[in-house]
Amino acid sequence: SNELTQAPSVSVSPGQTASITCSGDKLESKFVSWYQQKSGQSPVVVIYQDDKRPTGIPERFSGSNSGNTATLTISGTQTMDEADYFCQAWDTSAACVLFGGGTKLTVL
Amino acid sequence: QLQLQESGPGLVKPSETLSLTCTVSDGSISNTLYYWGWIRQPPGRGLEWIGTINHSGRSYFNPSLKSRVTISADTSKHQISLNLSSVTAADTAMYYCARQEYCGGGSCYLSKSWFDPWGQGTLVTVSS
Repeated sequence: SNELTQAPSVSVSPGQTASITCSGDKLESKFVSWYQQKSGQSPVVVIYQDDKRPTGIPERFSGSNSGNTATLTISGTQTMDEADYFCQAWDTSAACVLFGGGTKLTVL
Repeated sequence: QLQLQESGPGLVKPSETLSLTCTVSDGSISNTLYYWGWIRQPPGRGLEWIGTINHSGRSYFNPSLKSRVTISADTSKHQISLNLSSVTAADTAMYYCARQEYCGGGSCYLSKSWFDPWGQGTLVTVSS
């Protein structure tokens, strides 16, 4: 299968740790990126190549990829982190970009 | 700071061709370190990759859209163009262009790629 699967929603209390997962066949063999999309805005990359954080992205954002699951972890989640999060990878066999369906993170 | 700006008609009739342009502010389309992608997002839904191209025209397309999509790069105008033919209401979406970086650790492969930055997007509605 060349699909990436995400849970539709995740809820977390402010200050707690949020874990957003992305599942796919042998996903650890692919590089995974994560995008944050706030309401009415364009997506912004928060993690690329599994665990790299772009300049300007807070340290509370981290990523990992093992087995069939990649995980975006937000430590000390803040209300400003409330957004939709999408995972993305490149399917080498099909030569195409894959996006997960997205996870809506609610901070309350 | 690099900026990408999508432009084109906001309303397209069914069966016609949707045509959009992405203008890259710093002219880096010619840079061999980047590809350029088109991604769309239907209202209230997730992201769907449309296709990717580099400065020399090497391109890749979403298999589900490939028969209807044309993407081109004009380095002299610093523009990437998208044409999507035979549109239906299902093609109504926000359309984004984005730079696709693909290098890291001393090597460059699309398997390493990610999209950054994204344009602000342009909403295209398909309706008669």
